[in-house]
Amino acid sequence: EVQLVESGGGLVQVGGSLRLSCAVSGFTFSGYWMSWVRQAPGKGLEWVANIKEDGSGKNYVDSVKGRFTISRDNARNSLYLQMNSLRSEDTAMYYCARERPRGASYFEYWGQGTLVTVSS
Amino acid sequence: DIQMTQSPSTLSASVGDRVTFTCRASQSIGTLLAWYQQKPGRAPNLLISAVSSLESGVPSRFSGSGSGTEFTLTISSLQPDDFATYYCQHYGTFGQGTKVEIK
Repeated sequence: EVQLVESGGGLVQVGGSLRLSCAVSGFTFSGYWMSWVRQAPGKGLEWVANIKEDGSGKNYVDSVKGRFTISRDNARNSLYLQMNSLRSEDTAMYYCARERPRGASYFEYWGQGTLVTVSS
Repeated sequence: DIQMTQSPSTLSASVGDRVTFTCRASQSIGTLLAWYQQKPGRAPNLLISAVSSLESGVPSRFSGSGSGTEFTLTISSLQPDDFATYYCQHYGTFGQGTKVEIK
């Protein structure tokens, strides 16, 4: 069974940092692109970043470029999101998601999410 | 950047109704479109990929169509479990969602 379990969310002040983790099981982690998708309270979905199977390629939404870093450890079956210089608008539920292979970035499996609250 | 626009934002319907909602892309995206269902407090769930390909386990009352810039998701006979928010998606862009409410 495919499982994705996020952790690391919490309350942080504006300007602070947080590192999210996503532990996966049930599939060969190193064979898939992975993404972080967030959802602000009461709002829609926003893709944040993704990373290639071997970590050699990364993409970010403009609003987090230079502040967030996506990474992975294929030996530990884990995905990470390092979030620096946090802003109030980064407050959201953060989901990790597995992308379907061979293009189109369909998010076929999701974790349950971890909540990040950025407070001033 | 490609923008995805869904309409309506909210749809009120009754059990048994046939409902259709729309997703429009700001430029042609071929057939690279997915639909997700999200219930309150839950992660989204992939319903349909490549415009019309139903994911495993998704009831056949769901169907998708379209190409280019205009796409539709249809629920042929709305069931109590279908009251949720639906999002379209093209690569890193989601539509703003259509919430299906009980009339």
